[in-house]
Amino acid sequence: EAQVTQNPRYLITVTGKKLTVTCSQNMNHEYMSWYRQDPGLGLRQIYYSMNVEVTDKGDVPEGYKVSRKEKRNFPLILESPSPNQTSLYFCASRAGSLTQETQYFGPGTRLLVL
Amino acid sequence: AQSVTQLGSHVSVSEGALVLLRCNYSSSVPPYLFWYVQYPNQGLQLLLKYTSAATLVKGINGFEAEFKKSETSFHLTKPSAHMSDAAEYFCAVSEGGAQKLVFGQGTRLTINP
Repeated sequence: EAQVTQNPRYLITVTGKKLTVTCSQNMNHEYMSWYRQDPGLGLRQIYYSMNVEVTDKGDVPEGYKVSRKEKRNFPLILESPSPNQTSLYFCASRAGSLTQETQYFGPGTRLLVL
Repeated sequence: AQSVTQLGSHVSVSEGALVLLRCNYSSSVPPYLFWYVQYPNQGLQLLLKYTSAATLVKGINGFEAEFKKSETSFHLTKPSAHMSDAAEYFCAVSEGGAQKLVFGQGTRLTINP
């Protein structure tokens, strides 16, 4: 079954404690992306990757890092989380062009930073 | 810069009634437009997309949307609402050949029995 998986699904942490949210896709997609969803703001892109070792900033990259060492994995790293990073996070992937290919979303990771 | 405005953060209709969710976009070049649906505790799922072919686009689950350049709109409709349509709906735009999606704020659709 084609899918994007994220772990953990729920996470409560404290300010400053480094954390990683993993994202994995089994469709051999080149493009992967991270979004955060906040009430009244819709989804905002954090980082994206066009392929292995190719990453770029989205609209709200501050406080986040990513890496793309393998095609299937695209972890999101919060080196020093702060309460304003409390949000619902989604990973997404697709095969190629946005207009030609369907973008698949993971189930989401709900993060609370105290 | 591209942007999307969804009119109405919350829409409520009766089962069997017409569903109309409004989306207006701003783009300096011909846009590509998308509607996504998010069911509770799930990720987003593509409903339909406009990529400069037919202006009336049909999607899954009986939804359709019409691209109106003169009105810069891409409203989502369904003739007869079903209880299973209750979800949050997002409109999104991508400019020209750009590979980035910009999302609207979302509209939560409630269906009354």
